Amino acid sequence: GAGVSQSPRYKVAKRGQDVALRCDPISGHVSLFWYQQALGQGPEFLTYFQNEAQLDKSGLPSDRFFAERPEGSVSTLKIQRTQQEDSAVYLCASSVDILSYEQYFGPGTRLTVT
Amino acid sequence: GQNIDQPTEMTATEGAIVQINCTYQTSGFNGLFWYQQHAGEAPTFLSYNVLDGLEEKGRFSSFLSRSKGYSYLLLKELQMKDSASYLCAVRDGSADSWGKFQFGAGTQVVVTP
Repeated sequence: GAGVSQSPRYKVAKRGQDVALRCDPISGHVSLFWYQQALGQGPEFLTYFQNEAQLDKSGLPSDRFFAERPEGSVSTLKIQRTQQEDSAVYLCASSVDILSYEQYFGPGTRLTVT
Repeated sequence: GQNIDQPTEMTATEGAIVQINCTYQTSGFNGLFWYQQHAGEAPTFLSYNVLDGLEEKGRFSSFLSRSKGYSYLLLKELQMKDSASYLCAVRDGSADSWGKFQFGAGTQVVVTP
């Protein structure tokens, strides 16, 4: 079956613009995670969902970042008034449920803020 | 929270063995994971340890000592395609952060002919 997909794969935004990044998890996966990965670093946790419930958003860097998963499947990460420090790869991962030990990552969205 | 330390880079020859160490400090522990990430690609799951000891999976093995906050990933019979970044990650088990993953910065393994 299809893996985790993300769109767009690349996004260039001018400083101050709003962006929306989409994640389509593997069908039936209950848990969904968002990460931010800077060049040469490991993924940094942003937030995660169990179905439509956002259980932890402690990793979101500021109130400019907002994530939702209204129907418990597709998720959107929105960044308002983008800043240059937001430039990174944004990875989405899904797993069968929160107890599952295997997360499946999408290819990521590379965001460049100019 | 978690602090995770792993070496930045390791170089080894094709056919050899490399051991990547990972140490962590945790306020709650619910499993240690290793992922492989090729440049420009998504991380892919390699192994999972929640109990002390060695887990073997083909050419890859992972070891965990919870009392020492220590794990290693052993790559045997290295192949050129093993050149990648290897990420150590800990899943939180504390009440207020249950299920949250924290990743180390990754160890870049370079396999030479």
